[in-house]
Amino acid sequence: DTAVSQTPKYLVTQMGNDKSIKCEQNLGHDTMYWYKQDSKKFLKIMFSYNNKELIINETVPNRFSPKSPDKAHLNLHINSLELGDSAVYFCASSQREGYEQYFGPGTRLTVT
Amino acid sequence: GNSVTQMEGPVTLSEEAFLTINCTYTATGYPSLFWYVQYPGEGLQLLLKATKADDKGSNKGFEATYRKETTSFHLEKGSVQVSDSAVYFCALSDPRLSGGTSYGKLTFGQGTILTVHP
Repeated sequence: DTAVSQTPKYLVTQMGNDKSIKCEQNLGHDTMYWYKQDSKKFLKIMFSYNNKELIINETVPNRFSPKSPDKAHLNLHINSLELGDSAVYFCASSQREGYEQYFGPGTRLTVT
Repeated sequence: GNSVTQMEGPVTLSEEAFLTINCTYTATGYPSLFWYVQYPGEGLQLLLKATKADDKGSNKGFEATYRKETTSFHLEKGSVQVSDSAVYFCALSDPRLSGGTSYGKLTFGQGTILTVHP
């Protein structure tokens, strides 16, 4: 069974569109994260949720809005997509804040 | 703020060669240190960790020692295999920002691409 899963794996879309990426974990963890990996492989945290509450919100444009309907899911919605949003987005989860993080396989977003 | 610097890549080695990937960090507290590995097309996996000075993390033949005096956490392997080809990330977590626990918000280095040829 996949511990942290993301859908879709690939997403190609045009500038100005709105898209969502979904993340689910079946580990029973309380904390979930979104990371962005740019074309040079640099990884940076975007958001962290603990039991459906936002605990980390790095300097991310407000076009990005995370939503956690329950503690097993953390979705990322992106409005008005821009070329610079092209990246691989990774979801991760941990038992709770401050514990080992387990990563999903990533979603490669390409904005044309 | 906290930061992690890794050696520039890519690194290309022949099978059975010795591997070193340098990692140095800047942190105001006493961070926990990690190496993550990303195989092609996959997410990150924790390779090894060290939570205090002089700790040695080890896994799958890889080792790294937490050196507080040189603020370093270099990754080493005595004999690499083709299957070790991946991107390796050094990272730190400041326990002061995570209620005193070892993990938390991760600050990553820029990643080092390793390619091992037969």
